[in-house]
Amino acid sequence: DIVMTQTPLSSPVTLGQPASISCRSSQSLVHNDGKTYLSWLHQRPGQPPRLLIYKISNRFSGVPDRFSGSGAGTDFTLKISRVEADDVGVYYCMQATQLITFGQGTKLEIK
Amino acid sequence: EVRLVESGGDLVQPGGSLRLSCAAAGFTFSPYWMSWVRQAPGKGLEWVATINPDGGETYYADSTKGRFTVSRANTENTLFLQMNGLRVEDTAVFYCARGQWGTFDSWGQGTLVTVSS
Repeated sequence: DIVMTQTPLSSPVTLGQPASISCRSSQSLVHNDGKTYLSWLHQRPGQPPRLLIYKISNRFSGVPDRFSGSGAGTDFTLKISRVEADDVGVYYCMQATQLITFGQGTKLEIK
Repeated sequence: EVRLVESGGDLVQPGGSLRLSCAAAGFTFSPYWMSWVRQAPGKGLEWVATINPDGGETYYADSTKGRFTVSRANTENTLFLQMNGLRVEDTAVFYCARGQWGTFDSWGQGTLVTVSS
């Protein structure tokens, strides 16, 4: 099974400042078809998760351009250019190259 | 508007069975891959099972293989999860999600399954 490891597990951030979350996979996420199935999701307290980014860097419909994804192979990053109050919650990376596994989650909170 | 509504969650004793449903509305259900994802209280997300559009392919997490069965009724726009041999550690909110290759673009609100004696 592919293990997804996120860092940090908790990230206190000042409003208006950037935030960054890393996600590392235990093996390459490049599929046989050449694509990399790495997504990022956001879950607010008491809500279901929602899709932010898919295939490393593609923003889902309606996701602000403050959010960006990057990376390749086994190392991936989610960046928020300027954190807003609505961004609090838990962020998960997720791979779907080999079945599906999630990272442990990173809790973003405002300082 | 895409809607996914889970139901069937309940309190059940260890070893018991439960069948969850996910009713889809607002989109054409039959062409989509569908999945179940669960979240134990205070914990992270865990993939449970995935089914292809015609129901002919199913995939399971090791923790649920042999105990859970995912199925669908395209004529009724409904996804199912039959859960047998339930364990205390299966206690979780179960979400259904639409999409393939991890592009889970729509999620239901979830249904709570509690396994306890």
